[in-house]
Formats: sequence, structure tokens, C-alpha cells
Amino acid sequence: QVQPVQSGAEVKKPGASVKLSCRTSGNTFSTSFMHWVRQAPGQGLEWIGLINPNGINTKYAQKFQGRVTMTRDTPTSTVYMELSSLTSEDTAVYYCAEERTGSYKRFDPWGQGTLVTVSS
Amino acid sequence: QSALTQPASVSGSPGQSITFSCTGTTGDVGGYDYVSWYRQHPGKAPQLMIYDVSYRPSGVSDRFSGSKSGNTASLTISGLQAEDEADYYCSSFAGSSSYVFGTGTKVTVL
Repeated sequence: QVQPVQSGAEVKKPGASVKLSCRTSGNTFSTSFMHWVRQAPGQGLEWIGLINPNGINTKYAQKFQGRVTMTRDTPTSTVYMELSSLTSEDTAVYYCAEERTGSYKRFDPWGQGTLVTVSS
Repeated sequence: QSALTQPASVSGSPGQSITFSCTGTTGDVGGYDYVSWYRQHPGKAPQLMIYDVSYRPSGVSDRFSGSKSGNTASLTISGLQAEDEADYYCSSFAGSSSYVFGTGTKVTVL
């Protein structure tokens, strides 16, 4: 399967925002749910939320509500995740993952990940 | 939403079988047959190994199998190989379009 391609590493100061991108195959983009998952250094996976194929409906984990925004751009087959009010606890690798038509309720394939470092 | 509980580590010798668990609640693992398992090698993205409790994606070895009983799902790796050494995470649908991951299990091949 074609793996989503994510944007490069980011370094941000506490209190700032970061906007990450994830570009997928045009063939599947219009019908795929897109999820974001993060992994802090040495820690496990944490589901952040999803954006559905129409780009209108989103669902965020309660922990991130009010601080995360997911959007998608159909012409470029790209989804975005913006996380605001960053703290050191947001330092992590952020992954996007597809939930494709006919392959519901599972994440496959995954992007390569984007390291976000929050440091003063 | 609390993380699903997995043992921190499991080990086995080459050729052996190992099984480890993923325990949730009736709101996630116990309520839906949407448990999936992911393998993650160091520095790499996770890879889907099992979906819908017990189904293998195309290309995944039949040495991997999954099951569920009540609020606990399990992953079995038979004929353990060096390449199986990795971190494994379960995930479950938790209703209302939300998902939860397990705490992760480090598999060591002795």
C-alpha cells in the first residue's frame, strides 16, 4: 500500500501552535477517514482524533478537545492537524493513519511520523 | 478514556509460542469486535497485524492470531522468530467514533 507522507520535524516553544500535514494517495483520499496518533518518547500510542471523508465531521479525544483542529484539502489529498498551547508534554512523534473504505475500524497504512519537539 | 492494559513485557525462545493480553472494559474491548493489533519496530511506524479481533491483513504471517473473551483480547505469536522482537499495541473502537490504544507489550526473543 502507498504510505501517507508527513511533513518534517518541528521545534516549537511552549505556548505556540504547530500544524502538521499528511498527504495520501489521491485514489483513497476522498473516501478515507484520517486519524492522528501520537507517541511521546519511550511511551505508548495515544489516539488524538479523526476527520471523516467529507472534511466536515471530526472527533477528538477528550484530552485534546479545545486544543486540536483537523482539516483536509481535497485537491491536494492532504490532511492537517493543528495543536495549540503546546507544552513540553506535547513532545512526541505524531502519526497520521488511514481508515480506508472496506477496512473500517483499523488504522492502515500509517505515515512515517513527524517529530514535534516543544522546548524553550 | 483509559488506555487498555497490556503486560509490559513478554519473552520467548525461537520457535516457541507466546500469548499476551489486552484488557479493557465493556465500553471498548468487551463491547465491540473491533480490536486490532499493531507491531512497531524501533524508530518505525506501527504496522497492522490483526484486525476485527482475529483477522489477518494480506501479507501478515499466519503465525499471528488473535482472539477475545469478554473484556480481554489476546495476541498469539507462534513459531517465534527474531523479527518478531518489537513492541505490540492493541487498539479498540470505544464507541462514538472514538478509539483507545493499549499500554504496549515489548516482545523479546531470547
